[in-house]
Amino acid sequence: GAGVSQSPSNKVTEKGKDVELRCDPISGHTALYWYRQSLGQGLEFLIYFQGNSAPDKSGLPSDRFSAERTGGSVSTLTIQRTQQEDSAVYLCASSLGTSGMSTDTQYFGPGTRLTVL
Amino acid sequence: KQEVTQIPAALSVPEGENLVLNCSFTDSAIYNLQWFRQDPGKGLTSLLLIQSSQREQTSGRLNASLDKSSGRSTLYIAASQPGDSATYLCAVRPIVTGANSKLTFGKGITLSVRP
Repeated sequence: GAGVSQSPSNKVTEKGKDVELRCDPISGHTALYWYRQSLGQGLEFLIYFQGNSAPDKSGLPSDRFSAERTGGSVSTLTIQRTQQEDSAVYLCASSLGTSGMSTDTQYFGPGTRLTVL
Repeated sequence: KQEVTQIPAALSVPEGENLVLNCSFTDSAIYNLQWFRQDPGKGLTSLLLIQSSQREQTSGRLNASLDKSSGRSTLYIAASQPGDSATYLCAVRPIVTGANSKLTFGKGITLSVRP
């Protein structure tokens, strides 16, 4: 079946512009995660959606970052007034979101490489 | 705050060698631990997931062990092949209530298997 998809795969923008990154999770997965991977750094958690619960935004680095998940499926990560330090690969993952041995596995998309000039 | 460490950052071995990748974490209150593989320019692929109550998981040539009390996990790769060349990341999920389910990742070990 189809995995997690993300678009665009690459995005080059100018400092100060807003960008939107899209994630389509695996159908039926109620949990969705955004991560950021900067050069030489590990993956950094950004935000987590679980069903209709309030999202866990504890990883968002500043108020320029926001994310939505419409209809419990597609999610959009928005970065306003982009800065050069926002350059990174933004990864989205989804999981079934229920407890149990195999259902906690997170399945990752290919990522969006963002370059801020 | 949970910290996950993977040392060394890079490893180069000849084809056919059995090898062990290490992962350590500071807070033993984990729900599970997951090993991922990342190929250059790609997303992450889940390899093995070990629940906190388990000691190990196996998949093909891969075996992952977990010693929660000492804060350590190892990924054992048998009879390594050039196709195993990638970055291997471990990640832990905390025991929490509510909506928080974020993974804390190590920085990964970049493995190169020489033909």
